[in-house]
Parts: sequence; C-alpha cells; structure tokens
Amino acid sequence: DIVMTQSPLSLSVTPGEPASISCRSSQSLLQNNGYNYLDWYLQKPGQSPQLLIYLASNRASGVPDRFSGSGSGTDFTLTISRVEAEDVGVYYCMETLHTPRGFTFGPGTKVDIK
Amino acid sequence: QMQLVQSGPEVKKPGTSVKVSCKASGFSFVSSSVLWLRQARGQRLEWIGWIVVGSGNTNYAQNFRDRVTINRDTPTGTAYMELSSLRSDDTAMYFCAANPWGLRYAFDAWGQGTMVTVSS
Repeated sequence: DIVMTQSPLSLSVTPGEPASISCRSSQSLLQNNGYNYLDWYLQKPGQSPQLLIYLASNRASGVPDRFSGSGSGTDFTLTISRVEAEDVGVYYCMETLHTPRGFTFGPGTKVDIK
Repeated sequence: QMQLVQSGPEVKKPGTSVKVSCKASGFSFVSSSVLWLRQARGQRLEWIGWIVVGSGNTNYAQNFRDRVTINRDTPTGTAYMELSSLRSDDTAMYFCAANPWGLRYAFDAWGQGTMVTVSS
C-alpha cells in the first residue's frame, strides 16, 4: 500500500511570514505522461476540505497566488509565501495515481497563527 | 457555481445500514466523477469509493469493499453511498467530492458533510 507522510505535523506561523509543508510518498507519483498525481487540500476549522493544488503544481481556480506547489516523484512541497490569518486549518496531501487501489491521504499538517 | 448538497445527519444502530445522498448542481453531473470519503473525529480523511458518473464504473477501498455500494441517479444529479453492517467505529463525518470532468484528481466541489453516528 502507498504510505503518505507529511512534515511537520503542526506549524505555528507569524502573519506575513512564509510557511512550507513537506509531503512524501512511499512510491513515485510521476506517471509516464509527465504529471505527478498529487493534490493538496485545506480543511479550515468546521468546514469541508477545499482544493488548493492539483497535479503537484497547478493552483485551483480562485486559490490565491501565495499558495504554490512543487516537487516530483516522491517528494513534494506546499509553500505559502505570506501566511494570512485565513490560512489556518489542516493541510492534506493526497495521491491520486494508484487508483483503483486508492486515494491515499497524508496525516495532515495543522497550521495556526502565532 | 459548483455545489454538492448532502443529506442530513443519521443515527443508526450497529448492524444496520445507512444511505447518504449527494446532490450536484452548477456543473454537468453526467461528465463528473464523485469521490466518497469519511473522517472520524480528529482523524485523517479516508477514502471509501469513487464513481465515474457517466459510465457508472465504481472502485471501492479494500476496507469497505464488502459492505459499501456507490451509485448515481443521473436524471436527478444525485450520487449515493450506502454502507451496511454498521459498527461503532463507522461513526464519522462522511463527505462527497466531485471533479466536473470525470477525472481522478482535483476534486473541486465538496459537500458539507453528513454526520453518521452508530450507537446502540
């Protein structure tokens, strides 16, 4: 089975400062078509998750450009260039390559504001 | 505006079944794919199954394969997830999420969640 890990598991950030979250997969998420099948989601307190990044580096519609995704193969990073108060919540990476065996989520990284 | 509206909270007894609905609007339901997931309190998201709406093809997570059925009703734009032989550890918030183009990634529309409580 695919194992997804994230680090750190919690992060306290000063508004205006950058933040980065790492996501690692136990198997490569790079398909022959050149795409990495990894999404990033943010679950704000009391809300459903929302899509931030798909295919590792593509920002979803309406997502502020302070969010960016990078990486390939087994190592990926979500970067927030300048954290704002509304960015608090739990960030999840999710691999989508190994269907039908599964859509596997990372454990989540909880971000709060100092 | 893409929207998914789920059915209301459920309280069920162990051994019974629950059926959760997910009604789509604002996009072509027939062209979409729908993912079902759940989240126990304080836990990570866990996928249950996935349906490509146009074909009706489904894939189920191994943990649920024996007791879950996902289907859809295209005229009403509604997807359904039925889980049987409920246990106390099935108590969780259940979500549906959709990709409007039938893809297996980039789930851009999410339901509000349905709380399912299993208790004797």
